[in-house]
Amino acid sequence: EVQLVESGGGLVQPGGSLRLSCAASGFTFNTYAMTWVRQAPGKGLEWVSAISGSGSSTNYADSVKGRCTISRDNSKNTLYLQMNSLRAEDTAVYYCAKMRGYYYEEAFDIWGQGTVVTVSS
Amino acid sequence: EIVLTQSPGTLSLSPGERATLSCRASQSVSSSYFAWYQQKPGQAPRLLIYGASNRATGIADRFSGSGSGTDFTLTISRLEPEDFALYYCQQYGSSPYTFGQGTKLEIK
Repeated sequence: EVQLVESGGGLVQPGGSLRLSCAASGFTFNTYAMTWVRQAPGKGLEWVSAISGSGSSTNYADSVKGRCTISRDNSKNTLYLQMNSLRAEDTAVYYCAKMRGYYYEEAFDIWGQGTVVTVSS
Repeated sequence: EIVLTQSPGTLSLSPGERATLSCRASQSVSSSYFAWYQQKPGQAPRLLIYGASNRATGIADRFSGSGSGTDFTLTISRLEPEDFALYYCQQYGSSPYTFGQGTKLEIK
C-alpha cells in the first residue's frame, strides 16, 4: 500500500524552528518528486515547496523562501521540511504529497494525513 | 503568480443531480498541468483529475474534467452522497503551484 506518514509538528514560539518528516512506503521513493502543501485553519491549500526525485533540485513559495529547506534521504525513504524563523502565519496543517513524476510539473497523487504546526507564544 | 478563481463558492444540489464546477485562471495554463482535488472534513485532499481531463487511479467515471487556456470545468454527472465535499483546482505548470480558493458542494 502506498503511504505517506508525516511527523514533527507541534507548538513552537515565534522565531523558533521545527523539522517535519514524511516517511514514504509502497513505492520507489527516489523516482518521484515530492512536495509540501499547507492549509491554515479554515483556509484553502497553499503549496510550500517541492523537490525532485534525486533531491538535486528544489523549489519554494515566496512565503517560505529563505526560511524553509526541503530535503530528502532516499536511503531512508523520507522527506523533510526544515522550518526556521517561524511566524504566526505559518500555523497550518502541513501535508506531504507524492508527485506523479520525477520532476516538478506533475499533479500530487498521494497525500499524507498531515501534521499540525502551531506558532504561538 | 497564476491566480485561480473558482465558482461558485458554494453549490447546493441533490443526490442524482449533475454538478458543474468552474475554475478560471488569471493567465493561460497548459491543460497538461491542471488538476482537481476533493477534500472532505478532517481529511487530506485527494487527486481526482490531472492533465485537465485524466481521471486519477480509482476515481469513478462520473467525475470528468475539461477545459483549456484560462477556463476549466469539473463535472460530476450524477451526484452520490459521498461526493458532497470541498473541491479545489490547481495549476502545476508554473511555480508557484497555485490552488483555487475552493468550491463547497453541499446537499440541498
